[in-house]
Amino acid sequence: EAAVTQSPRNKVTVTGGNVTLSCRQTNSHNYMYWYRQDTGHGLRLIHYSYGAGNLQIGDVPDGYKATRTTQEDFFLLLELASPSQTSLYFCASSGWGNTLYFGAGTRLSVL
Amino acid sequence: GDSVTQKEGLVTLTEGLPVMLNCTYQTIYSNAFLFWYVHYLNESPRLLLKSSTDNKRTEHQGFHATLHKSSSSFHLQKSSAQLSDSALYYCALNTGNYKYVFGAGTRLKVIA
Repeated sequence: EAAVTQSPRNKVTVTGGNVTLSCRQTNSHNYMYWYRQDTGHGLRLIHYSYGAGNLQIGDVPDGYKATRTTQEDFFLLLELASPSQTSLYFCASSGWGNTLYFGAGTRLSVL
Repeated sequence: GDSVTQKEGLVTLTEGLPVMLNCTYQTIYSNAFLFWYVHYLNESPRLLLKSSTDNKRTEHQGFHATLHKSSSSFHLQKSSAQLSDSALYYCALNTGNYKYVFGAGTRLKVIA
């Protein structure tokens, strides 16, 4: 079973704060993704990557940066957090077979 | 561009009744994959079903869906709802480029 681990599980910050969400996958998948989940909008793609050093822009990238440091590790950065970024964030990876494997999620609150 | 529509935001059913969650999609690619993911509270979303074969029924854990390319649909069904089926269900589309398009999700609430 594919393993995707996110940290932290919960985070509270203030407007203008700096936040880093971490994701590690241990299944040698090439593709990794960051999504946000909001009621009425479903899962929306922020950024994704197909390997270390690669970054692709998703559908809702404004206010977010991301970096893929290794095959395993993918980070999402909010450098000036805003209340509109309060959400549940999921990391996912995929490899052969096109199935997405999700982490447990990070609940972020921006006050 | 590609899109997935799940019209029902919330479906409330009494235990034992049949489940049908609707999913329609738009894409110009003939070999698209369609997926259903399920997200139980406090768990990770996970794959429930997937298909790329026209008119073939796919089944897993009591749920089934048939991809109909003629109507661009991939509805999720189950013959008898259980309380444990209460969750958020996502329909998703992938056209082979490793980018997925999700619908807005349908929350299924099963009551006794």
